Amino acid sequence: DQQVKQNSPSLSVQEGRISILNCDYTNSMFDYFLWYKKYPAEGPTFLISISSIKDKNEDGRFTVFLNKSAKHLSLHIVPSQPGDSAVYFCAAREDSGNTGKLIFGQGTTLQVKP
Amino acid sequence: DADVTQTPRNRITKTGKRIMLECSQTKGHDRMYWYRQDPGLGLRLIYYSFDVKDINKGEISDGYSVSRQAQAKFSLSLESAIPNQTALYFCATSDSNTEAFFGQGTRLTVV
Repeated sequence: DQQVKQNSPSLSVQEGRISILNCDYTNSMFDYFLWYKKYPAEGPTFLISISSIKDKNEDGRFTVFLNKSAKHLSLHIVPSQPGDSAVYFCAAREDSGNTGKLIFGQGTTLQVKP
Repeated sequence: DADVTQTPRNRITKTGKRIMLECSQTKGHDRMYWYRQDPGLGLRLIYYSFDVKDINKGEISDGYSVSRQAQAKFSLSLESAIPNQTALYFCATSDSNTEAFFGQGTRLTVV
């Protein structure tokens, strides 16, 4: 049973436009959400996160929105650049045991066309 | 130098062979993790460790074992490799206040 789902395997946008990547989750105990970016032949790198007590977090071109009632979060990239082309993973943490374990979605491959 | 280093980066092995994947870190983090990535499934947790005396199973630990030789070293073993263990394996580290940092991955193929 997939607790974190990214239902769009791929997304293609034009350079300069907005990229919106979506993520849904089922476990209401998740208290922290993260987005990771992964280039080929590299490990995932942390991009941005949001605590469950917030509904928005912004860092430069990247903004994450959290809708707890809908159990949905999204990553907005504005403006999109060709270097943003990568696989994006949504991840969630349920840390009642303070383990730091992350549950990942399947990933969305973003292609930004020049 | 990478903060989280995995060796080897690529490995092809035969069914039934024992193989060890190694991970070392210079972050000084207590927590270390092994994940595997499969197409369409994202990353799934195999094992994790809080310190050298603490080992915990993740969601897909069957067929795997781990050893935490020191705070900085966490190895993953496949005692008898099988083809469905062909995947990309990632080691990660964290502490209580940070996000997880990942190594560059080991691509394992079992033939």
